[in-house]
Amino acid sequence: DTGVSQDPRHKITKRGQNVTFRCDPISEHNRLYWYRQTLGQGPEFLTYFQNEAQLEKSRLLSDRFSAERPKGSFSTLEIQRTEQGDSAMYLCASSPLLGDSANYGYTFGSGTRLTVV
Amino acid sequence: GDSVTQMEGPVTLSEEAFLTINCTYTATGYPSLFWYVQYPGEGLQLLLKATKADDKGSNKGFEATYRKETTSFHLEKGSVQVSDSAVYFCALSRAGGSYIPTFGRGTSLIVHP
Repeated sequence: DTGVSQDPRHKITKRGQNVTFRCDPISEHNRLYWYRQTLGQGPEFLTYFQNEAQLEKSRLLSDRFSAERPKGSFSTLEIQRTEQGDSAMYLCASSPLLGDSANYGYTFGSGTRLTVV
Repeated sequence: GDSVTQMEGPVTLSEEAFLTINCTYTATGYPSLFWYVQYPGEGLQLLLKATKADDKGSNKGFEATYRKETTSFHLEKGSVQVSDSAVYFCALSRAGGSYIPTFGRGTSLIVHP
């Protein structure tokens, strides 16, 4: 297992276009998180899954954002009708079961950098 | 709600200098505390952690002690190297918050030869 993988690493898109990112977590990790990071800021929580269930969504996740984890393995994050304010690094992280997460920490992917022009 | 406050950067040091990056937190209950490091163009890597009061986390020469009385988790290293140049994030995770990590804004460290 090579850790958390994210694809693509970089995405440049025109305003108004839709984009989709993929995250492959560590295979035995049940929990998967999406974060957004803008320049000079820490990661901001967007949403998380436990297996295939999306258990919590941040207020940052507007109606244009949707995330799925259909089989409890990989996840996708889609942004519809992109805006320039969506430009950021989108990070995915995974962790083991509830209760172990606090002790184990979280494994992050390298992120997808989105630039909306 | 939960929050993490870090000292503002950048922190600029010469090689072999002593490093301290301050971190304080606000949370109910007993959170677990973490330091993550982010190198340019990469995701975050877990550097060290502490899960209860007075625990000391350590890794690669870095240390941090969980101080509940001062709600702090300051990061220290006795002798920094150029390769330590990165952004460091303090974070907490709490059972009442579904274990979703809350991060500070990050502190940039620049180490000169």
